[in-house]
Amino acid sequence: QSALTQPASVSGSPGQSITISCTGTSSDVGDYNYVSWYQQHPGKAPKLMIYDVSNRPSGVSNRFSGSKSGNTASLTISGLQAEDEADYYCSSYTTSSTRVFGGGTKLTVL
Amino acid sequence: QVQLQESGPGLVKPSQTLSLTCTVSGGSISSGSYYWSWIRQPAGKGLEWIGRIYTSGSTNYNPSLKSRVTVSIDTSKNQFSLKLSSVTAADTAVYYCARDPRGVMLDVWGQGTTVTVSS
Repeated sequence: QSALTQPASVSGSPGQSITISCTGTSSDVGDYNYVSWYQQHPGKAPKLMIYDVSNRPSGVSNRFSGSKSGNTASLTISGLQAEDEADYYCSSYTTSSTRVFGGGTKLTVL
Repeated sequence: QVQLQESGPGLVKPSQTLSLTCTVSGGSISSGSYYWSWIRQPAGKGLEWIGRIYTSGSTNYNPSLKSRVTVSIDTSKNQFSLKLSSVTAADTAVYYCARDPRGVMLDVWGQGTTVTVSS
């Protein structure tokens, strides 16, 4: 299975919105609504931010939202804050009953 | 709330078997529709899913690691484990365990444990 494709880096200024894309295939992102997104600060474990494409776990800010179109999922962060600076990873269930991650995107808040 | 903690040797020799255990506290490993997963992350690189186990004992593995990986579960100890055989320096990474509701998300993570493969 191949890793999902994410941009290596994105940046934005405080208060702005950014979107991170996650492109897979018809064997993963395109076939299931089981895309999840994770935030990882340096030296910390990843944290679930979005599951089932667009659902937020309890406690996650509503500034984080997810969507999907075809084989591409997206994470949007609105009202950027300094604390949002982190690495973000998408993940999807696959037709082989496995899981695949994206390569990760480094978000810089300018 | 449920917490996970990885444990095991921090140093493994090449060609040997890496063995890690994840202890679940604050809840039963047998309750709910949960899978239990292992993920790793080489320094400065991205996340790689290794495999998972259901409470029934059924498993799924990353095809690229399948020939070397075994995930097992011990419900009496509220633990699940990872064995990775024939390790090389490429297996050096931080290893995480995580809870996997319905097999489609990773909602609770351990803090991670660093494993170095070196002679």
